[in-house]
Amino acid sequence: EPEVTQTPSHQVTQMGQEVILRCVPISNHLYFYWYRQILGQKVEFLVSFYNNEISEKSEIFDDQFSVERPDGSNFTLKIRSTKLEDSAMYFCASSTRWDRGTQYFGPGTRLTVL
Amino acid sequence: GENVEQHPSTLSVQEGDSAVIKCTYSDSASNYFPWYKQELGKGPQLIIDIRSNVGEKKDQRIAVTLNKTAKHFSLHITETQPEDSAVYFCAVTGNQFYFGTGTSLTVIP
Repeated sequence: EPEVTQTPSHQVTQMGQEVILRCVPISNHLYFYWYRQILGQKVEFLVSFYNNEISEKSEIFDDQFSVERPDGSNFTLKIRSTKLEDSAMYFCASSTRWDRGTQYFGPGTRLTVL
Repeated sequence: GENVEQHPSTLSVQEGDSAVIKCTYSDSASNYFPWYKQELGKGPQLIIDIRSNVGEKKDQRIAVTLNKTAKHFSLHITETQPEDSAVYFCAVTGNQFYFGTGTSLTVIP
């Protein structure tokens, strides 16, 4: 069964550093998403991406965040200057264009900012 | 934006009993209501969903009911098993995807 994959599984970084989280969505999906889950809290929507541009974003997704599809398979989330409060699990998800509600999530990247 | 409330936050049931988790939402334009199961160290996995033109949907031991007038929907798990133990999230979609706060379900053997 096709699945969303994410790398790395755990990323540790110093405050102020840039990080790039990577995702490989399911191959025939056209919508891609990033979510954040702070430890013990609910999953929060960050951004959705379609046709090489952002389609929706939440208030959390400020100027320090950016997303990119650098090639035909990867979808990345960049955090420009990490803060302590960016420590969280980051989940990538993907869906078809026809059924955006049915999203398939990756296993997540745990980001720890020291 | 949408306000999704989920209750209870924790739920313990004996194996074989039923479990019910409820979510309420605020935006009457929302039209898709999935439920996700999240096991420790893993991403959320879709287990069942319902659309606004349907009142109830069932898949084996899992069912979801939707009351659009009252703006609430519920997850029902019957004949619970220890492997049902996980955190369950409801979600509501408009332009964005809003998750509930999660319910930690423990099934006691």
